[in-house]
Amino acid sequence: KAGVTQTPRYLIKTRGQQVTLSCSPISGHRSVSWYQQTPGQGLQFLFEYFSETQRNKGNFPGRFSGRQFSNSRSEMNVSTLELGDSALYLCASSADRGETEAFFGQGTRLTVV
Amino acid sequence: QKEVEQNSGPLSVPEGAIASLNCTYSDRGSQSFFWYRQYSGKSPELIMFIYSNGDKEDGRFTAQLNKASQYVSLLIRDSQPSDSATYLCAVNRAGFQKLVFGTGTRLLVSP
Repeated sequence: KAGVTQTPRYLIKTRGQQVTLSCSPISGHRSVSWYQQTPGQGLQFLFEYFSETQRNKGNFPGRFSGRQFSNSRSEMNVSTLELGDSALYLCASSADRGETEAFFGQGTRLTVV
Repeated sequence: QKEVEQNSGPLSVPEGAIASLNCTYSDRGSQSFFWYRQYSGKSPELIMFIYSNGDKEDGRFTAQLNKASQYVSLLIRDSQPSDSATYLCAVNRAGFQKLVFGTGTRLLVSP
């Protein structure tokens, strides 16, 4: 059974640009969550999608957005990139909402220069 | 007060010893608890989860939960150098898929 797939693995972008990251969850999983990991702040929740609907949102500015497709694949977009957006972006897949385990993809390392 | 607190470490133990990692949380609505292991440069890997008070064992790992004290721990028996990593504690409220993570404890197991 394939795991969580994130693409691309690495990205270098310039300040002011926008970026789109992709996540394909484990087959059959309908919940996809996104997290940002930085050395200073650790792992922080961005948002969660379930059945194409955003169910939860973390404390990030509106420049961070996402969506989920009918096949449960998800994308997140960051517009007007800032240097502080440099981070490892992780996608987590779970079977359902609530008390179920979440499995992470390998992440996308974003560097903003 | 942080929602999930862990000692950043490093926690150093000799090979073969028991490593004890601790985590406290502030939200009494938390219902599910997870331990992730993260090697440097890699993504977090789920190693244990626990939902009920008490102990849960899986191989060399034991998770312990005390909801009254808002305390979760992870014991690693017969620690190996390959266990050297950062261990992240995460909690989740019922009905949500929004993990709140601690900052992690770095474990070093020396041969």
